[in-house]
Amino acid sequence: GQNIDQPTEMTATEGAIVQINCTYQTSGFNGLFWYQQHAGEAPTFLSYNVLDGLEEKGRFSSFLSRSKGYSYLLLKELQMKDSASYLCAALDSNYQLIWGAGTKLIIKP
Amino acid sequence: NAGVTQTPKFRILKIGQSMTLQCAQDMNHNYMYWYRQDPGMGLKLIYYSVGAGITDKGEVPNGYNVSRSTTEDFPLRLELAAPSQTSVYFCASSIQELNTEAFFGQGTRLTVV
Repeated sequence: GQNIDQPTEMTATEGAIVQINCTYQTSGFNGLFWYQQHAGEAPTFLSYNVLDGLEEKGRFSSFLSRSKGYSYLLLKELQMKDSASYLCAALDSNYQLIWGAGTKLIIKP
Repeated sequence: NAGVTQTPKFRILKIGQSMTLQCAQDMNHNYMYWYRQDPGMGLKLIYYSVGAGITDKGEVPNGYNVSRSTTEDFPLRLELAAPSQTSVYFCASSIQELNTEAFFGQGTRLTVV
């Protein structure tokens, strides 16, 4: 079956760096998305990777290894407003998005 | 620019009642989607549409219906509401295929009692 695994919850300190991992098993692969979702709000797009490697976008970076079925989201210089859930989603061969349950990131002062 | 607008934001339904969740987007996106989000679970696709007049089932379509008469609107109909349909529903749209950013509405929190 198709599956996305990511940690349920992580805690980090303001100003620090945190890495949120995601592993996926899908029938075919057409890319991986990361979305941010604040409590009670809609998901908002962070990144899309389809090729291996690291893509940097300001304080946020996303990495993909297709051979390992693995991605991570790296958040630098953490701010309190980064407290949110981070959703990993993989696009399968039918262009259907398979979503992980999300990682709740708690930032402490 | 309103983006994706969903109404209502909250609703309580009794078992067996019906309702329509409204979704409209003003970005001229061809692709629209309905998801449900349950606690501790990933988003599940209910229905999607690749353009006006075209709809298709997603992963969890049972108990729901959709229509797409215009590019802008994609309402979701719940017939004979059941407690299992208690969830947060999100409508989303994207410009073309799914390998592009999706824009989400603010969600509808539905409780069936």
